Amino acid sequence: GIQVEQSPPDLILQEGANSTLRCNFSDSVNNLQWFHQNPWGQLINLFYIPSGTKQNGRLSATTVATERYSLLYISSSQTTDSGVYFCAVVTGNQFYFGTGTSLTVIP
Amino acid sequence: DTAVSQTPKYLVTQMGNDKSIKCEQNLGHDTMYWYKQDSKKFLKIMFSYNNKELIINETVPNRFSPKSPDKAHLNLHINSLELGDSAVYFCASSQGGGNTIYFGEGSWLTVV
Repeated sequence: GIQVEQSPPDLILQEGANSTLRCNFSDSVNNLQWFHQNPWGQLINLFYIPSGTKQNGRLSATTVATERYSLLYISSSQTTDSGVYFCAVVTGNQFYFGTGTSLTVIP
Repeated sequence: DTAVSQTPKYLVTQMGNDKSIKCEQNLGHDTMYWYKQDSKKFLKIMFSYNNKELIINETVPNRFSPKSPDKAHLNLHINSLELGDSAVYFCASSQGGGNTIYFGEGSWLTVV
């Protein structure tokens, strides 16, 4: 099956810093989605981004499907950004999740 | 109104018991899913189901079975619970397989 790897696995940031999270996948995909799992366990949709670039406030994402990766940018990080960030790719109408990046933003 | 809702949110039960987790979505989606999140936070697909097709992850033990009384519901039934079944179970839905997926809040299952 398809492999989805995220890096880094863990990240600690000072509040206000910027960061880039990466998602690599091993095969062609139909779609890609980014999620934030907050400390209470809720999975929140961030972006649905099969290709190109999207922005939503301090967050933006870029997917280069031909090169099999996606990036999530977090600017001016806040403590509320803490949690685990997952990418999920779609192949054969199935979603496959990456290994996650655990982000801790310290004040 | 919660788009994808699961009950119960927390469940503690003894080994060997049979339990069900219910899931309902009010988004009008035609595809529903169950995912298991283990202690290492890895999210693994268990089932996906629409009104035409049930796709089962082959690694899921047959003690787990999805039951769909209608398009808006996909319940998860687990027989003969084992300690290793302790995890968080997430229900999700999408319109068509592969489109934007929305998750419920999760059900924390602890088997003792």
